[in-house]
This record gives sequence, structure tokens and C-alpha cells, in this order.
Amino acid sequence: GQNIDQPTEMTATEGAIVQINCTYQTSGFNGLFWYQQHAGEAPTFLSYNVLDGLEEKGRFSSFLSRSKGYSYLLLKELQMKDSASYLCAAMDSNYQLIWGAGTKLIIKP
Amino acid sequence: NAGVTQTPKFRVLKTGQSMTLLCAQDMNHEYMYWYRQDPGMGLRLIHYSVGEGTTAKGEVPDGYNVSRLKKQNFLLGLESAAPSQTSVYFCASSSDGSGANVLTFGAGSRLTVL
Repeated sequence: GQNIDQPTEMTATEGAIVQINCTYQTSGFNGLFWYQQHAGEAPTFLSYNVLDGLEEKGRFSSFLSRSKGYSYLLLKELQMKDSASYLCAAMDSNYQLIWGAGTKLIIKP
Repeated sequence: NAGVTQTPKFRVLKTGQSMTLLCAQDMNHEYMYWYRQDPGMGLRLIHYSVGEGTTAKGEVPDGYNVSRLKKQNFLLGLESAAPSQTSVYFCASSSDGSGANVLTFGAGSRLTVL
């Protein structure tokens, strides 16, 4: 079956760095997405990886290892506004998205 | 530019009642989707559409119907609501269904079925 695993909740300190991991099992693979979702709001797109390696976008970076079925989202210089859920989603061979349950990130002062 | 707009934002229904959720997008996107989001679970696809006049079933289509009569609108109907359909519903759209397919989501519709 197809499956996405990510931690349910993580806590970090303002100004620090946090890494949110995601492992996936899909029938075929057409890319890995990360979305941010603040409480009570819509998910918004953060990143897309289809090739192995690190993609950096400001304070946020996303890494992909296709051979390991693994990705992580790295958030640097954490700010209070980064408190949100982070959703990992993998696209299978039929271009269907398989979503993880999300990681709730709590930022403490 | 409004993006994706969902109405209503909140609704309470009694078991057996019917209702329609409306999704409108102004980005000229071909693809539109209806998802539900429940605590502890990933987003689950209910139905989707790859263009005006087309619809297809997703992962959890039972108890729902959809229509895409106009390119900009995608309606989700519940014919006879059940408590199991209590959820937050998100509409999304994208320009196409290819790999780098970024979804734009609406703000969500919170539905409670008593």
C-alpha cells in the first residue's frame, strides 16, 4: 500500500533550527511536496522536490533521497509565525497525491 | 485576485439533510479537487475534475456527488448527510495534473452533522 509517515508533533525554540522528517512508500514517484498549514487556515505550498538533493528557499530548505524514500524540511532562524502544521505529500505514478497526517510544530520563545 | 473561494465557511446539518458546498476559482485552472481533512489523518481526496464537464472519483467518494458545469466552479453535494461526514472540506485547484503540480487551496468549509 501507499503510505506517508511524519512525526505528529515537534517543539523548537525561537531562533533555532528544526528538521521535520518524512518517509514515503508509493507506487511510482513523481515528486515530493511540503505544504504549511496554520491552524484554521488553508495549506499553502512550500516546496517541491523530484530529484535527489537539497533545495534552498530562504529560511526553508527541503531534501529528497529517492533511494531511501525520505525527505526532510529544514527551517532555520525559527520565528513564532512558523508555528503551524507541515504537510508532506508524495505524488505517485498516476500523479495522485498521497498526504501525510502533518507535523504540528510548536515554537517556544 | 481572490484565488479559491469556498462557501459556506461553516454549516451544521442534521442527519439525512442535504447540502451543497461551492468552490470558485479565478485563476483559469483546469484541475479542481475536493478534499476532506480529519484529525490525525492526511488530506483525503473525495472527487476531482480535470476540466469543465468532467469529474472523477477520488479515494473516499461514497456519499458525495460533484459537478463542474463551468470551468471556474466545482460543487460538492451531500445527498443525505451522516455524522461520519463531519469534517473540514477543502477545495483546491491547479493548472494541470503533472509532476510540479502546485495546489491552491480555499480557506475550508467546516461541516458538522448531528
